[in-house]
Amino acid sequence: QVQLVQSGAEVKKPGSSVKVSCKASGGTFSGSTISWVRQAPGQGLEWMGRIIPIVPIPTYAQKFRGRVTITADNSTATAYMELSSLRSDDTAMYFCARENLWFGELPRTSNWFDSWGQGTPVTVSP
Amino acid sequence: SSELTQDPAVSVALGQTVTITCQGDSLRNYYASWYQQKPGQAPVLVIYGKDNRPSGIPDRFSGSSSGDTATLIISGAQAEDEADYHCNSRDSSSKSVVFGGGTKLTVL
Repeated sequence: QVQLVQSGAEVKKPGSSVKVSCKASGGTFSGSTISWVRQAPGQGLEWMGRIIPIVPIPTYAQKFRGRVTITADNSTATAYMELSSLRSDDTAMYFCARENLWFGELPRTSNWFDSWGQGTPVTVSP
Repeated sequence: SSELTQDPAVSVALGQTVTITCQGDSLRNYYASWYQQKPGQAPVLVIYGKDNRPSGIPDRFSGSSSGDTATLIISGAQAEDEADYHCNSRDSSSKSVVFGGGTKLTVL
C-alpha cells in the first residue's frame, strides 16, 4: 500500500499562493491517481482535483478552476497542489489521497480513496 | 445532481447496531465509499465498492446500496467507533468526486 507524506504547515497572506507537496513511497506512483481534498475547520471534505502522474493531465473541480494547479514529478514520486489568490475561506486542512476507480462490481462503478497523507494545515490571515 | 446528503449527527448505544445513510442521484450509478475520521486525523477508508472492507477494518462495518441511497452499517458499535463518517462517489455526469457533508456518530 502506498504511503503519502505531505509538507508542513503554511501561513499565508490573502492574495498570495501556497504550494503543498505529497511524496509517495511503497507503491507505483506514476500509474496511480492522486487527488487533493480539503477540509475547512468543522466542515466536510471537498475534492479539488486529481492527476495521474503517468499522463499527466490534471482534472479540476469546477469551483477551483483557474486558481488551482496540480502537478506531479515522477522522478521524485511527488505530487504538488498550488492554490493561488488565497482568501480567508481557503483556511483548511489539505490532504492528498490515492484515488481508485473500478468497474468490476456492476451495475455500479466504485470510486474510493485508500491512502491518505497526514494533511497540511494552511492558514490564510492578514 | 452532484450532491450527497448525510444526516449531521447520529447516536447509538454501546453494542447496538447503527445505520448511517448517504443519499444522492449519483448513487444510482456509483457505490458509495465510506471513511471514518477522528479529530485531528486523516480519514480512513472503512467500506468501498459493493460491500468491501480494507485490511484491518473490523467486520462489524458493512455497506449496502438501494436506489439513490447508500447505507453504512455498524453492527455492535464500540466506543472507538465514535467519529465522523463521510461518504463519497463520483458525479454521474462528470469526472468530479463528490462527498457528503459527514455524520457525527456518538456512542452512548
